[in-house]
Amino acid sequence: NAGVTQTPKFQVLKTGQSMTLQCAQDMNHEYMSWYRQDPGMGLRLIHYSVGAGITDQGEVPNGYNVSRSTTEDFPLRLLSAAPSQTSVYFCASSYYRPSGRETQYFGPGTRLLVL
Amino acid sequence: KNQVEQSPQSLIILEGKNCTLQCNYTVSPFSNLRWYKQDTGRGPVSLTIMTFSENTKSNGRYTATLDADTKQSSLHITASQLSDSASYICVVGATSINNAGNMLTFGGGTRLMVKP
Repeated sequence: NAGVTQTPKFQVLKTGQSMTLQCAQDMNHEYMSWYRQDPGMGLRLIHYSVGAGITDQGEVPNGYNVSRSTTEDFPLRLLSAAPSQTSVYFCASSYYRPSGRETQYFGPGTRLLVL
Repeated sequence: KNQVEQSPQSLIILEGKNCTLQCNYTVSPFSNLRWYKQDTGRGPVSLTIMTFSENTKSNGRYTATLDADTKQSSLHITASQLSDSASYICVVGATSINNAGNMLTFGGGTRLMVKP
């Protein structure tokens, strides 16, 4: 199994540009989520999905869209990039919601710089 | 507001020595507590997961403890190795109301450097 994969690894955008961060998992996990990690802060939840066709907002959803057309893929779209979205983005997956003993698996991250 | 505070922010130890990282939380209602290891430039990897009824959990040289009464947890690393150099993140899960949301609160992490 490849686990959770993310592309690209690094991206530079100009303010106002849009882009899609890709996330895929091959573990047949129902639950997938996107986080951002900023220096000195804990990971913060952007959006999550409990299964194909179902998504919901997390703690910091503004400026981001998601969709879940398949179990495997969960892309994150930046609609109009802003410097405040400079961050490292992590995708994670688990069989079910990460409650109790459910282990969450993280991708390697995408480092985004918005100029 | 749910919060997870970790201390120290950073730590330097010599190879072979032991160390203990601390985590204090104010998360309610408590469901579980996790420790992750995050190598530089990589995603977090799960080390231990503890629920309310557990007060200790080991994974090789890593031992996590949980005191749900004082809302504190620690991660003890025994006989440190150079490969232990990483950030260690404490994550506390809350029981979700109406099964909504992720309900995980992440600490800011402790950056550990092990020197030869």
